[in-house]
Amino acid sequence: QVQLVQSGTEVKKPGASVKVSCKASGYTFTNYGIVWVRQAPGQGLEWLGWISAYTGDTNYAQKLQGRVTMTLDTSTSTVYMELSSLTSDDTAVYYCARPDGNPQYFAYWGQGTLVTVSS
Amino acid sequence: DIQMTQSPSSLSASVGDRVTITCRASQSINVNLNWYQQKPGKAPKLLIYAASRLQSGVPSRFSGSGSGTDFTLAISSLQHEDFATYYCQQSYNTPRTFGQGTKVEIK
Repeated sequence: QVQLVQSGTEVKKPGASVKVSCKASGYTFTNYGIVWVRQAPGQGLEWLGWISAYTGDTNYAQKLQGRVTMTLDTSTSTVYMELSSLTSDDTAVYYCARPDGNPQYFAYWGQGTLVTVSS
Repeated sequence: DIQMTQSPSSLSASVGDRVTITCRASQSINVNLNWYQQKPGKAPKLLIYAASRLQSGVPSRFSGSGSGTDFTLAISSLQHEDFATYYCQQSYNTPRTFGQGTKVEIK
């Protein structure tokens, strides 16, 4: 069965960077991309970007351009999302999800990673 | 960016009630519209994709309709496990955008 397992809780200081991982299993990794979505406390869902697990091509949300980097390691079927220059506004649960279908939808999600930015 | 606006933001309903949630896109998105259910501390769960297609394993009391800019999620007979927050999401273009959510609470 498809599984996306994310790394654990992170606590960072303002200005620091965080790198969250998402390990995929149960399917051919390079056949699908991965998207990242975050949810600030008590707030809605925000799409951060997408990476192709086949080519490594990326598409980032404009508001995060220059601060977000998505990479992958095909040898371990793992995708990484790194966010730099953290502020308190980046405090959120970060989810990875697998895009499927046409039109596209997100049927498989990771369990979420809480990132807290605090001095 | 395409703005997605849900209404209402919250509602109170009783078990057995029929509930409808609407989602409006700021431009036409054809049928590129998905609905998710989220419970506290959990990842979103896909309910409906392509505006009206029921995701495998989702109870048939959930249904979706609409195209263009106006969409509806209906729950025909609300069950205890349906009390949650519901989000619409467009997949017409990037950035993918979500509605602000509709919280369904017990009356």
